[in-house]
Amino acid sequence: SAVISQKPSRDICQRGTSLTIQCQVDSQVTMMFWYRQQPGQSLTLIATANQGSEATYESGFVIDKFPISRPNLTFSTLTVSNMSPEDSSIYLCSVGHGYGYTFGSGTRLTVV
Amino acid sequence: QKEVEQNSGPLSVPEGAIASLNCTYSDRGSQSFFWYRQYSGKSPELIMFIYSNGDKEDGRFTAQLNKASQYVSLLIRDSQPSDSATYLCAVTAGKLIFGQGTELSVKP
Repeated sequence: SAVISQKPSRDICQRGTSLTIQCQVDSQVTMMFWYRQQPGQSLTLIATANQGSEATYESGFVIDKFPISRPNLTFSTLTVSNMSPEDSSIYLCSVGHGYGYTFGSGTRLTVV
Repeated sequence: QKEVEQNSGPLSVPEGAIASLNCTYSDRGSQSFFWYRQYSGKSPELIMFIYSNGDKEDGRFTAQLNKASQYVSLLIRDSQPSDSATYLCAVTAGKLIFGQGTELSVKP
């Protein structure tokens, strides 16, 4: 299965600022997925990032708030824009392979 | 109705017992079914996947799938304290959707 490097692992940010999270995969993958895990909750899919096309966002998530880049088949970024305390969560990227989906180690974001 | 539902926890079992975790899903077009284990502060770790009706065994873990009933379960035999974690059921029909998770506690 693929190995994903995600960074930063954690950050504390001021409200109103933006944070960009990066994921690097050790192999080429068609789709990458971005999830949010709020405290004590399960994972919620934010969007699917395909190389060469606009990301597809799930209900409740919009591009202005969570812009995503996918410049090539091994890399993607998620930006959390104009942050508020409600954005404090763990953000994870994921890729699919023949036997399941692998996750990055996550970015623990705290907005103060 | 949620797309993927799991029985509410926490579930507590004694060491050596069988832990049974259950999950139902709403999309009949779902194709693949996964069980992830998540320790506190860690990212989810895939422990089982199943595509076809029936049982699939891997060591102490058995996944069971019944597509007619839209039901998938995970049995953990000879439960160990190290199995204490949150277990997430996930279903895919193009994208991976998670249930809310069941917290399992195995008491020594």
